[in-house]
Amino acid sequence: DVKVTQSSRYLVKRTGEKVFLECVQDMDHENMFWYRQDPGLGLRLIYFSYDVKMKEKGDIPEGYSVSREKKERFSLILESASTNQTSMYLCASSIMGRINTEAFFGQGTRLTVV
Amino acid sequence: SQKIEQNSEALNIQEGKTATLTCNYTNYSPAYLQWYRQDPGRGPVFLLLIRENEKEKRKERLKVTFDTTLKQSLFHITASQPADSATYLCALDLRGNEKLTFGTGTRLTIIP
Repeated sequence: DVKVTQSSRYLVKRTGEKVFLECVQDMDHENMFWYRQDPGLGLRLIYFSYDVKMKEKGDIPEGYSVSREKKERFSLILESASTNQTSMYLCASSIMGRINTEAFFGQGTRLTVV
Repeated sequence: SQKIEQNSEALNIQEGKTATLTCNYTNYSPAYLQWYRQDPGRGPVFLLLIRENEKEKRKERLKVTFDTTLKQSLFHITASQPADSATYLCALDLRGNEKLTFGTGTRLTIIP
């Protein structure tokens, strides 16, 4: 059974902390994504990676960075957490080069910044 | 700007009836469109994909249509059941670069 695993289901962090969200996939997918999901706004793409050490900004990259040192792992970093980053964070992966490929999602991390 | 709209935020349907959800998009001609299901507190799960040259796609009780002239997809669940209650999301590769853009979703409730 294919899997995308996010390291935490729930996280509570303080304003100003550096926060790491980890995501691992076991499908050997090239593409990996980080989205955040907020009521009324849907899923919004933060960052995208199509290969190890390669990354592209999504629609809302401000306040975030990413790291992809190994193909199976994609980390999202909140450099200095703020309350407006309280959200559900979703990691996904897909196969590169097939224009009609589906995305596989993790279970999500609900982050609360206090 | 490019936009995807799912024009019902919430939809209540009587059990056994057909639920129809709508996805509209502007300013782009995508090669395909996808539908996902999301349960509360969970990540989305892929349901169906339809390509631009396909008018209709079926999978069990699910049917998707794709009208590239109207820039619209309809998602139907026939003989709906309470277990079909969830949020349904449509998604497009708006820029042709493998990054999916999602609509805001429709929360479907099937009433017994």
